[in-house]
Amino acid sequence: DTAVSQTPKYLVTQMGNDKSIKCEQNLGHDTMYWYKQDSKKFLKIMFSYNNKELIINETVPNRFSPKSPDKAHLNLHINSLELGDSAVYFCASSQAWVRETNYGYTFGSGTRLTVV
Amino acid sequence: QKEVEQDPGPLSVPEGAIVSLNCTYSNSAFQYFMWYRQYSRKGPELLMYTYSSGNKEDGRFTAQVDKSSKYISLFIRDSQPSDSATYLCAMSRFPGGKLIFGQGTELSVKP
Repeated sequence: DTAVSQTPKYLVTQMGNDKSIKCEQNLGHDTMYWYKQDSKKFLKIMFSYNNKELIINETVPNRFSPKSPDKAHLNLHINSLELGDSAVYFCASSQAWVRETNYGYTFGSGTRLTVV
Repeated sequence: QKEVEQDPGPLSVPEGAIVSLNCTYSNSAFQYFMWYRQYSRKGPELLMYTYSSGNKEDGRFTAQVDKSSKYISLFIRDSQPSDSATYLCAMSRFPGGKLIFGQGTELSVKP
């Protein structure tokens, strides 16, 4: 039973299109994230939601819009896709405000987005 | 200057070797330190988590944090070919906070 699942795994689309990536976690975590991994494998945070509330919004073009219908789901919608958006997008979740216990993010397996 | 610096490698070692992976950071507010392992075309998986300074051991893996030097390390003893992956250090100021990653070190363990 996958803890953090993303769909789709692969997405190939043309410039200018709009696409969505979905994420679901069954860990009971209260915080979810979107990370982008570039071609050099550098992971950078894009957004974070805690109990459906946006708490981190990095310098990301406003073509990217996250949405969290409930604390187990976090979706990412991208408008007017550009070549530079090609990357692997990871969803993650964590149980915030926990100090000494096994705190850590659980990542999904990623969505490989290719814009042509 | 990046907040977290990590030598990208690649690092190639023979099976059975002791591997040392390191990261330095500039923000003294970081309190939570993690090491993730990422196999090709997979998501990062948490290997070790340490709060503040000190050592932590789990099987063949040992994580060390030296906050005074802003330096963290991961040691892998008796390395195996199955350890071949990219190792990412990561850190945050508080639980649930923004996780800042190093660039990752690509490790190859040769049989």
